[in-house]
Amino acid sequence: EIVLAQSPATLSLSPGERATLSCRASQSIGSYLAWYQQKPGQAPRLLVYDVSKRATGIPARFSGSGSGTDFTLIISRLEPEDFAVYYCQQRSNWPPRLSFGGGTKVEIK
Amino acid sequence: EVQLVESGGGLVQPGGSLRVSCAASGFTFNTYAMSWVRQAPGKGLEWVSGISGSGGGTYYADSVKGRFTISRDNSKGTMFLHMNSLRVEDTAVYYCAKDPESSTTWPPVACEIWGLGTMVTVS
Repeated sequence: EIVLAQSPATLSLSPGERATLSCRASQSIGSYLAWYQQKPGQAPRLLVYDVSKRATGIPARFSGSGSGTDFTLIISRLEPEDFAVYYCQQRSNWPPRLSFGGGTKVEIK
Repeated sequence: EVQLVESGGGLVQPGGSLRVSCAASGFTFNTYAMSWVRQAPGKGLEWVSGISGSGGGTYYADSVKGRFTISRDNSKGTMFLHMNSLRVEDTAVYYCAKDPESSTTWPPVACEIWGLGTMVTVS
């Protein structure tokens, strides 16, 4: 079973700052890596999939990168609406299963 | 507009059964893999099960394998999750979600569109 570890658990930043979120897999996972944003009381929203493809309607300030076991989501300049919890997610090849990391909370400093 | 609407949640005793449904609209349902994802109160996300667009491939997390069954009726644009032998730890909001890219045969890779969820309480 592939385990995803997200760091840091909490990121305290101010609007306008750059946010760098990390996701590390317990083994190489190819290109099936996605990132989600979730706000309290809402369903998650897909931001990036296949490591770096932005989902429909996602602003360009969100970008994903990485390979092998280490992946990163960067929010270039934080907007007030970006303060939320972020999850990474991978899909293993066989058996095909999805799994999520534990999440990173981006909070206002 | 692409939309997913879950229903069928409720309160059930441990050991009981429940079926939750996901009604889809606004896209060609049978060309997208779908998933069920749950979130226990105050906790993170847990993928539960997935199904290919054709329905020919079904996939489960270890935590529910043998107890839950995923299915879909492509003629009605609806997906189901049949849950048996329910446990207290199955208590969660259950979301259905659509894959970002169309394929009739591939397993799900991510969750692009989500419903609002339906609450399942086992107590």
